[in-house]
Amino acid sequence: QITLKESGPTLVKPTQTLTLTCTFSGFSLSTSGVGVGWIRQPPGKALEWLALIYWDDDKRYSPSLKSRLTITKDTSKNQVVLTMTNMDPVDTATYYCAHRISRAAAGWFDPWGQGTLVTVSS
Amino acid sequence: QSVLTQPPSASGTPGQRVTISCSGSSSNIGSNYVYWYQQLPGTAPKLLIYRNNQRPSGVPDRFSGSKSGTSASLAISGLRSEDEADYYCAAWDDSLSDVFGTGTKVTVL
Repeated sequence: QITLKESGPTLVKPTQTLTLTCTFSGFSLSTSGVGVGWIRQPPGKALEWLALIYWDDDKRYSPSLKSRLTITKDTSKNQVVLTMTNMDPVDTATYYCAHRISRAAAGWFDPWGQGTLVTVSS
Repeated sequence: QSVLTQPPSASGTPGQRVTISCSGSSSNIGSNYVYWYQQLPGTAPKLLIYRNNQRPSGVPDRFSGSKSGTSASLAISGLRSEDEADYYCAAWDDSLSDVFGTGTKVTVL
C-alpha cells in the first residue's frame, strides 16, 4: 500500500522560504518509472501543478514558478523536499504531494497525500 | 494557473447522466493523454480516469472518459449522491509540465 504525508510549517511570513517534506512508503524512488510530484490548491480554488522529480533525478517545474522552486529527493529516507522562495500571501494553499506513475505525458498521480495547509501572513 | 477550461458547475438528479467538458489546446490535450481526478469535500484528489478512458480498479464503470481533438469529457451515468464532488481534468503540456483544469463542482439535486 502506497502512502504519502506532507509536513512543514503551517505559517510562514512574506518573503520567507517555505520548505515542505513529503515522506512516503510502499514504493522506492530508485525504481524505474517512479516519481513524486507537488500540487497546491488555494482555498476554494483549483489545483495547480508545481514540480515533479523522477527516479533518475530528472526534475520538472511549473514554468510560472520555476525561479522560486527547488525539488530534491533523499532515496534512503523515502523523502522528497520542495522549497519555495520569497513566499507571498497569494501562496497560501493546501500543498499536496503525490506518487507519479510513468514519465511525462504517460504519467499520472496516484495516490495523493492528505495535504498540508500553509498560510502566508505577517 | 489553470490552462484547461471546465464549466464551473454541473448538476443532475439521482440516476441521471452528467457530462463535464475539458477544453485545452494542441500542446496539451491535443497531443497527450487526459486524466481525471475526483475531490470529495474536505479530502485530497483521487485518480478517476487515466490515459483518456481507463478506469483504475475500484472506480465504478458509471464513470467514463473520452477525448476528441483538443477537448475531453467525463461522463457520470446513474448519478448518485456520493458523486457530489469537484472534478478536475489534467494533461501533460509540451512545455514540460502538467496542467490542470479549472474544476467542476457536481451537485446531486
